[in-house]
Amino acid sequence: ETGVTQSPTHLIKTRGQQVTLRCSSQSGHNTVSWYQQALGQGPQFIFQYYREEENGRGNFPPRFSGLQFPNYSSELNVNALELDDSALYLCASSWITGAEQYFGPGTRLTVT
Amino acid sequence: KQEVTQIPAALSVPEGENLVLNCSFTDSAIYNLQWFRQDPGKGLTSLLLIQSSQREQTSGRLNASLDKSSGRSTLYIAASQPGDSATYLCAVNGNTGKLIFGQGTTLQVKP
Repeated sequence: ETGVTQSPTHLIKTRGQQVTLRCSSQSGHNTVSWYQQALGQGPQFIFQYYREEENGRGNFPPRFSGLQFPNYSSELNVNALELDDSALYLCASSWITGAEQYFGPGTRLTVT
Repeated sequence: KQEVTQIPAALSVPEGENLVLNCSFTDSAIYNLQWFRQDPGKGLTSLLLIQSSQREQTSGRLNASLDKSSGRSTLYIAASQPGDSATYLCAVNGNTGKLIFGQGTTLQVKP
């Protein structure tokens, strides 16, 4: 059974650019959640997708957007990058909303 | 608004010691609570999940308890080892799938 995978591992972008992060959910899981973790902090919920529909959103601006595909993999897109967007972005999947969540290794985004 | 607090922020113990990590939350209307381990720069590894109807869960040397009425959970680690050194995070789920995390407790186990 393949766990949650994320790509890329590391990314460096310039302020104002756009970035796309990718996540493949664990086999059998149809729910994907994205979190942002700043250095020294706990992860903060960005949004969740269930069967290709957004199913809840945290306190993040609209320039954070996402997609979920028919195979339940997901993308996180961030437009107009700001320095404060530098963080570890974590993807988690579960077989249903509310069930145990399994996290991927994360993507480290640095905005300069 | 749900808030999760973990105390202490950091802990250093000698190898072999038993220890307890604390997690408190302000809204007792939770669906479940998860404890995670995070190694530096890495993702989260799920350690234990406790449903709201449960009082505790055990896995190997780890035991997690939940007291919803008082808004508290503890993670007990028996016979600590240097390999247990990591940051431990607790997160509550209010049945929306949105996990609310504490700031974490960074544990160092000295040989």
